[in-house]
Amino acid sequence: EAQVTQNPRYLITVTGKKLTVTCSQNMNHEYMSWYRQDPGLGLRQIYYSMNVEVTDKGDVPEGYKVSRKEKRNFPLILESPSPNQTSLYFCASSLRGGVQETQYFGPGTRLLVL
Amino acid sequence: AQSVAQPEDQVNVAEGNPLTVKCTYSVSGNPYLFWYVQYPNRGLQFLLKYITGDNLVKGSYGFEAEFNKSQTSFHLKKPSALVSDSALYFCAVSPPNTGFQKLVFGTGTRLLVSP
Repeated sequence: EAQVTQNPRYLITVTGKKLTVTCSQNMNHEYMSWYRQDPGLGLRQIYYSMNVEVTDKGDVPEGYKVSRKEKRNFPLILESPSPNQTSLYFCASSLRGGVQETQYFGPGTRLLVL
Repeated sequence: AQSVAQPEDQVNVAEGNPLTVKCTYSVSGNPYLFWYVQYPNRGLQFLLKYITGDNLVKGSYGFEAEFNKSQTSFHLKKPSALVSDSALYFCAVSPPNTGFQKLVFGTGTRLLVSP
């Protein structure tokens, strides 16, 4: 079954304690992205990756890091989380985006930073 | 820079009636346009996209969207709404030739279909 998995699904942490949200896809997709969803703001792209070792900033990259060492995995790292990073996070993967292609999302990670 | 506007926070429609969820965009060149749906307590699902060609795009669950270049709009439509269509809908745009790479989303429109 084609899927994007994220872990953990829910996380409560404290300011400054480093955390990693994992994302993995089993479809051999080149493109992966991280988004955050906040009420009234919709989804905003944090980082994206076009392939292994190729990443670039989205619209709201401050306070986040990513890495793409393997094609299937695209972890999101918060080195020093702050309360304004409390949000719902989604990972997504796809091929490039041609006419017949689809983008797949993970189930989301709800993060609360105290 | 590209942007998307969804002018309605909520759309209410009775089951069986046609529905329209509005989206307007701003981007240089020929855009890629997308619709996504988020059902309650579930993740996001891709519905459809417009890249080129026919202005009427058909997607999942009976939804379609009409691209109108002169009005810079990409409204989502369905001929007959179902209660199960109640969800949060997002329009998105990406610059030409970038596909899913650099999406900019609207703020979302909540669709409520009453029985």
